[in-house]
This record gives sequence, structure tokens and C-alpha cells, in this order.
Amino acid sequence: DIQMTQSPSSLSASVGDRVTITCRASQGITNYLAWFQQKPGKAPKSLIYAASSLQSGVPSKFSGSGSGTDFTLTISSLQPEDFATYYCHQYNSFPLTFGGGTKVEIK
Amino acid sequence: EVQLLESGGGLVQPGGSLRLSCAASGFTFSTYGMSWVRQAPGKGLEWVSTLSGSGGGTYYADSVKGRFTISRDNSKNTLYLQMSSLRAEDTAVYYCATRISGTLAGYYWGQGTLVTVSS
Repeated sequence: DIQMTQSPSSLSASVGDRVTITCRASQGITNYLAWFQQKPGKAPKSLIYAASSLQSGVPSKFSGSGSGTDFTLTISSLQPEDFATYYCHQYNSFPLTFGGGTKVEIK
Repeated sequence: EVQLLESGGGLVQPGGSLRLSCAASGFTFSTYGMSWVRQAPGKGLEWVSTLSGSGGGTYYADSVKGRFTISRDNSKNTLYLQMSSLRAEDTAVYYCATRISGTLAGYYWGQGTLVTVSS
């Protein structure tokens, strides 16, 4: 199974900060990686697919990069609506797996 | 607009059965693989099962293999998850999800349905 390791598991940031979350796969997954945002009590919302492609309707402050085993999600200027938990997800091979999540909190 | 709408959740006793449904619209359902993902209370996301668009390929997490069955009815644009021999640890919100290519490219999720396994 491919293990997805996210870091950090939580972070505190201020409005306007640039935030970067990393995700490392235990083996190469080319670019078969997605990023999701989840707020309490809500379904996950897709932000990025294919490692760097922005899903339709998602603001351009979100960006993804990486290939192989190392990936990043960047929020260029954190806004109040961005405080949430973020998950990476590999869909290169079964079993599909998710990172443990990164909770972004207000400083 | 892509929409996924789950139903069928509820309270069930340990050892019992339940069938979840996911009604899809806004895309060519038969073309795409469909998945179930669950989230136990206060926990992260866990993949449960995937069924290919044609229905020929099925995949299960080890934790549900032999107890859950995924299926689809392409004439009704509906995905199912038949769950049996349910355990307390199956308690979770169950989401259906799909990954679409082309004009609507991306991942899409339903709103989820809660399954509670308890006596």
C-alpha cells in the first residue's frame, strides 16, 4: 500500500499569510494526486487534481505542485474562509489512500 | 452541474445490513469509475471501494472485503453499497465520489450519509 504522509498535521497562521502543506508518498505516484479541503460537518471539496490542475471554480490562490513522491499545496494569501482541514489523496493505485490531514487554524 | 446525492444511512445493530445509494447527475455516469469513501467521527478520510465505469473492475479496502459489495445501475445513474455483517467500527459518514475528465475535469463528492452501528 502507498502511504501518504502530510506535514504539518496542524498549523496556525494569520489572514494574509502564505501557507504551504506538504505530502510525501511512500512510492512514486507520478502526478496522480489530489488535494481536498474540508470544513467541520461538511463534505470534502476538491481543490487540485493531477497534482497541479485547479478544479473549476476554485480560486487561483490555491496551487499545487510536485511529481513522483513529493507534493505541495500552497495558499498564496490565507483568508478567513480558508481555515479548514486539508487532505492529500493518491489515486495512482489501489488501495487508494489519503494523507492524515492538516488542520489550518487562526493564529 | 455534477451532483452526487447519497441516501440510505441510518442506525443499524451490529451484525446487521444496510444498502446505501448514490444518485448521480450532470455527467455521463456510465463512463466513469465511482467510489465510496468514509469518515469515522473525528477521524480522517478512508477509501472503501471503487467500481469501474463498465462495472468490470471492483476494488475493496481490506477492512470491508467480504462484507461490503459495490454495484451500479447505469440505466438509473445510481451507485450502491451493500453493507453486511456491520461492526461498530463501520460507523461513519459515507461519501460517494468520482473523478471526471474533460470539460468537467476534477474530483466530485456527495454530501454524505451517516451510518451508525450500535445496539
